[in-house]
Amino acid sequence: KNEVEQSPQNLTAQEGEFITINCSYSVGISALHWLQQHPGGGIVSLFMLSSGKKKHGRLIATINIQEKHSSLHITASHPRDSAVYICAVLHFGNEKLTFGTGTRLTIIP
Amino acid sequence: NAGVTQTPKFQVLKTGQSMTLQCAQDMNHEYMSWYRQDPGMGLRLIHYSVGAGITDQGEVPNGYNVSRSTTEDFPLRLLSAAPSQTSVYFCASSYGGWRGYTFGSGTRLTVV
Repeated sequence: KNEVEQSPQNLTAQEGEFITINCSYSVGISALHWLQQHPGGGIVSLFMLSSGKKKHGRLIATINIQEKHSSLHITASHPRDSAVYICAVLHFGNEKLTFGTGTRLTIIP
Repeated sequence: NAGVTQTPKFQVLKTGQSMTLQCAQDMNHEYMSWYRQDPGMGLRLIHYSVGAGITDQGEVPNGYNVSRSTTEDFPLRLLSAAPSQTSVYFCASSYGGWRGYTFGSGTRLTVV
């Protein structure tokens, strides 16, 4: 079993829909990262979470440490949100990141 | 602009050739790392460094060497390229994992 599992693997939605991407992990962590990878390949850091909730524009990230689960939400989705969203956990006690396989999001106009 | 610079962006190698992927950052980050990204798999850690003169292996280190002689630079060397090393390689840097990461734009390597 992978240490970091994301669901769904692929998600297609209409413009304006509310999007939820899930991430579950099985190891002790000191932080969880959400990353965005656009079709051109570049990776951008969206959020770093160690507890609670963070919001940036239309993006909201939450984490439940007890349940070892995080969600990334996108409100009022737009075609420019189409990308691969990647969850990564920072292992407790060291600087190693373990990545999920990503969720490919496609927003249709 | 401040950030992580990776070169080259594309490279084709023949089996057995060696090469160095360059990574440089100008943010004075202590932590630097190399990952490879393969279809259907998450990014996997190859090698990382927590400061100049200090390196350690990640999840998939075989066939790769690194060194960290300065804070700014963290080159990745392929010793004898193999088709299994065909991948997209990313370099990243950070003040520390709890401070967020900055990624380079990637190097697409094909070994034939």
